Amino acid sequence: GESVGLHLPTLSVQEGDNSIINCAYSNSASDYFIWYKQESGKGPQFIIDIRSNMDKRQGQRVTVLLNKTVKHLSLQIAATQPGDSAVYFCAEISRDDKIIFGKGTRLHILP
Amino acid sequence: DTAVSQTPKYLVTQMGNDKSIKCEQNLGHDTMYWYKQDSKKFLKIMFSYNNKELIINETVPNRFSPKSPDKAHLNLHINSLELGDSAVYFCASSQDSRRFLKTEAFFGQGTRLTVV
Repeated sequence: GESVGLHLPTLSVQEGDNSIINCAYSNSASDYFIWYKQESGKGPQFIIDIRSNMDKRQGQRVTVLLNKTVKHLSLQIAATQPGDSAVYFCAEISRDDKIIFGKGTRLHILP
Repeated sequence: DTAVSQTPKYLVTQMGNDKSIKCEQNLGHDTMYWYKQDSKKFLKIMFSYNNKELIINETVPNRFSPKSPDKAHLNLHINSLELGDSAVYFCASSQDSRRFLKTEAFFGQGTRLTVV
């Protein structure tokens, strides 16, 4: 489950398993979505994007799924590796170019 | 060969001081941004410049003033620093000014500002 306050939601996954990180977005007028990865002490790094006219987009080991009906976005990481440990953010961008970031989820890889 | 570089990486200063954070990108991008990340890791856009022109100015106190001497540089000057300004500030750039935010942005390593 998720917690609020000072602690980010954390997902703990065994190395080699698949990870699924979820994001609920707020604006039904958003037509572009991005997932970012932020490692400790570094800036956010673009992972994958998706337009609202798509339901699914695949990259290398990552897949983004978009469900506009319930305003939900997910990031799937296949065969999770130690290097995937980071905080993951979703971002939604509206047609009038307003960007809103999600809270962030910390992905913790178990050996 | 750092693509987007910010200086300084850490900045500790007293309330009421004026400070600047510098940002440079060597990617040849037309658009640059400043973002603020608070202690809860929440990211928010502050400013965006396209080819030295301001195109986004979110609800940010006017103590914050961006300055773009050329399209490869976007500096952030902050007057009369307050405790609540403590955060990590990220500079970013993106290539396609027509797509603006709807394109891959490259972020710097961040500047951790602590106001005491």
